[in-house]
Amino acid sequence: SYVLTQPPSVSVAPGKTARITCGGNNIGSKSVHWYQQKPGQAPVLVIYYDSDRPSGIPERFSGSNSGNTATLTISRVEAGDEADYYCQVWDSSSDHRGVFGTGTKVTVL
Amino acid sequence: EVQLVESGGVVVQPGGSLRLSCAASGFTFDDYTMHWVRQAPGKGLEWVSLISWDGGSTYYADSVKGRFTISRDNSKNSLYLQMNSLRTEDTALYYCAKSGGDSGSYYDYWGQGTLVTVSS
Repeated sequence: SYVLTQPPSVSVAPGKTARITCGGNNIGSKSVHWYQQKPGQAPVLVIYYDSDRPSGIPERFSGSNSGNTATLTISRVEAGDEADYYCQVWDSSSDHRGVFGTGTKVTVL
Repeated sequence: EVQLVESGGVVVQPGGSLRLSCAASGFTFDDYTMHWVRQAPGKGLEWVSLISWDGGSTYYADSVKGRFTISRDNSKNSLYLQMNSLRTEDTALYYCAKSGGDSGSYYDYWGQGTLVTVSS
């Protein structure tokens, strides 16, 4: 089965840039989506199709995907960005299934 | 405004059964693939199941295949998850999620979840 690996945690100072990686075999050939989840809340889509932003998501959130790594970048980090972040792909190689990354806790110092 | 409201989560004994429901509103329900995603306490997200817009195609995670059945009633704008032979490892918050885009490969709206606890 397809596996997506994320760093458990990323720490960043306010105003700086946070980069969250999502590693998977040839992930660049897949569409990657990203979700933000704050404590006690449902996940929220922040990036879809590698780099598109849903309406209402700040331009500070951006995404890229190439080779074996996809990256979510949060620029000018704010205290309100502190949350868990999950990458996700749809794997239709052998069977149809959704796959989530292991999740990354972003801490704003 | 899109709304997804899950219900049916309770405490159940191992080996028991449960049916979760998700009431959808604010969009044309029968135009979209729907999913169930779960999250065990303190853990990450796990995709559980998918059903196509017309119910003609369904897929399951290996961890629930043969035990869970996803279904939908488009006349009632409702999604369901029948859960049988429940195990302690099925304990989780279960989210209903709407698929987004032409591919349906991501989840653009989520409910608030319903908690299933499997315990003796």
